[in-house]
This record gives sequence, structure tokens and C-alpha cells, in this order.
Amino acid sequence: SQTIHQWPATLVQPVGSPLSLECTVEGTSNPNLYWYRQAAGRGLQLLFYSVGIGQISSEVPQNLSASRPQDRQFILSSKKLLLSDSGFYLCAWSRGERQAFFGQGTRLTVV
Amino acid sequence: AQSVSQHNHHVILSEAASLELGCNYSYGGTVNLFWYVQYPGQHLQLLLKYFSGDPLVKGIKGFEAEFIKSKFSFNLRKPSVQWSDTAEYFCAVNARAAGNKLTFGGGTRVLVKP
Repeated sequence: SQTIHQWPATLVQPVGSPLSLECTVEGTSNPNLYWYRQAAGRGLQLLFYSVGIGQISSEVPQNLSASRPQDRQFILSSKKLLLSDSGFYLCAWSRGERQAFFGQGTRLTVV
Repeated sequence: AQSVSQHNHHVILSEAASLELGCNYSYGGTVNLFWYVQYPGQHLQLLLKYFSGDPLVKGIKGFEAEFIKSKFSFNLRKPSVQWSDTAEYFCAVNARAAGNKLTFGGGTRVLVKP
């Protein structure tokens, strides 16, 4: 069966520090991969979307970047965190047009 | 570009009341439609989905949704809610012509009072 792992679950980082959140998928190949940010009252904002290795679509301008070094690995990064980067980040995968499956999320607090 | 809007940010109702959550999308092509639910402290999970066929879709826990193509809508309904339906509900859309990118609405927080 397919599973998705996202870590860490919580993270507190100082302003200006780098960020790396990792997401891996097991039990499937060539998934579509997503990074979302969930904010109260604003739903799930799609940040990055990937259909294959090295193929990243950025949906909103921001201080973050994403990479897909392997088929089932999706990394969310920042060189220098801002206070406004605080939030709840969700990784997800899907196959084609089918439903998406979500990771447990990462609560990021930038202090 | 496709977008999804949910009309209500917060809904409060009593047990046994009926629930209807609105969802409209803007995309001219063929779409797939989803409702997801997030119970307090839990992951997002799929409630129901529409790909084709009967526009009235039945999902888990007594929920159903109706796809009305002419209105670009996919409203979620439940005839009689329970306290355990307290959660946040998200409508989502993807389309093959848009690369199957899954776009969510802003979510609706539903509070069911016992």
C-alpha cells in the first residue's frame, strides 16, 4: 500500500535561518507531488506542484523553493526564513487525476 | 487558471439539522471534483469525488454532493448532522488539461452543537 511520510511534525526556527522539509512517498511510482500551506480561513494554498523529477511548478511568489531530487522525494526549502513563513505545511501525492493523499503536516514557527 | 470558492467560512448548527456547503469552481474544461474533510487533529481525508456519470455522488458518513455543470457547482449536503461531523471541509478541483493540479477552496469550518 502507498504511504506518505513528512517530517518533522513541528519545527521552530529563528528568522534568517534555512529550512528543509522533506516528504517521501512509498508504494507508488511517478506520483504527482504537492506542497500546500494551510492557514486558518484561507484553506489550502498550493505552493509547489511537481509531475516528475526536476519538474517543479511554483504557484505563488514567495521566499520558499522546492526540489524533487528523486521520483518519490519532494523537499521544501528556504535560504532565509521570514516571520511570515510560519504556518502549517502539507505534502501530498496523487496519481493522474485521482484523489490526493496527504502527509501529517509540519507546523513551522519562525521566531 | 482554475480556482475554487467556498461560500461560507464558518457554519454553526445543531445536531439533526441539515447541512449544505457551497462550492463553485472556475474552469471551462472537464474537471474532477472532490470534497475533503479534516477532523480536529487529524489528516485530510477524502469524503467523496466526482469524475463522471451520475452527478449526484454519495460519499462516506452519509454525505452526498451534486455536480451541476451549468452552475459550475459541487455542493456538499448531509440531511442530518451529528456532533462528530464537526470538522473543516474543503472542496477541490483538478483537470487533466491543467496538468491534474489539485486546487482547493478556502475551507468551511463546521461546528455541530450537541
